[in-house]
Amino acid sequence: QLQLQESGPGLVKPSETLSLTCTVSGGSISSSPYYWGWIRQPPGKGLEWIGSIYDSGSTQYNPSLKSRVTISIDTSKNQFSLKLNSVTAADTAVYYCAKYYDSVKSGFDYWGQGTLVTVSS
Amino acid sequence: QSVLTQPPSVSGAPGQRVTISCTGSRSNIGADYGLQWYQHLPGTAPKLLIYGDKYRPSGVPERFSGSKSGTSASLAITGLQAEDEADYYCQSYDNSLVGSVFGGGTKLTVL
Repeated sequence: QLQLQESGPGLVKPSETLSLTCTVSGGSISSSPYYWGWIRQPPGKGLEWIGSIYDSGSTQYNPSLKSRVTISIDTSKNQFSLKLNSVTAADTAVYYCAKYYDSVKSGFDYWGQGTLVTVSS
Repeated sequence: QSVLTQPPSVSGAPGQRVTISCTGSRSNIGADYGLQWYQHLPGTAPKLLIYGDKYRPSGVPERFSGSKSGTSASLAITGLQAEDEADYYCQSYDNSLVGSVFGGGTKLTVL
């Protein structure tokens, strides 16, 4: 059974960089083809897609976050990561990593439990 | 504002049938990408309920069904149970934004 687990600091200062890692167990992250994504949920709000990484490291990002987001993959550690720079209080959210069931044009069949990241000084 | 539009809330009594709508446009639902529905309970990971417009993953009860027509989709829940009380989200791909999009979510209350 595939499992995903987010990890990283729960508190980030404004203007700094939020860094999270998703560790995949129960399967190889690089089983071709692969499609992985990050989604977040601010307090009291809905789900927001952040971005995806697929095939040989290709990426797609939410246009509203594109200038601040980087998603990368480390196949040797079976992990993929999210970096969001210049954070503000508006970036406070529960962050989820997830796997697409087919291509990046499909949906997410496996999710991590989520990790709360608070942006505050 | 979310790209996909859902009603903020719906409610129904146990045993009843409820539907949740999801309205999009020609660049997402109308572009014939698969439409997904997720059930989300507070403090847990979202759960895939419906994929590819109408298919249920293994383990999802037949009480949940999905349909799509044009630029809109619906999730129907029959035989409503107390455990169905949760937030429900629709999700698709948008070829104009070039990425995944979610609805704003619908809170289902079982009366």
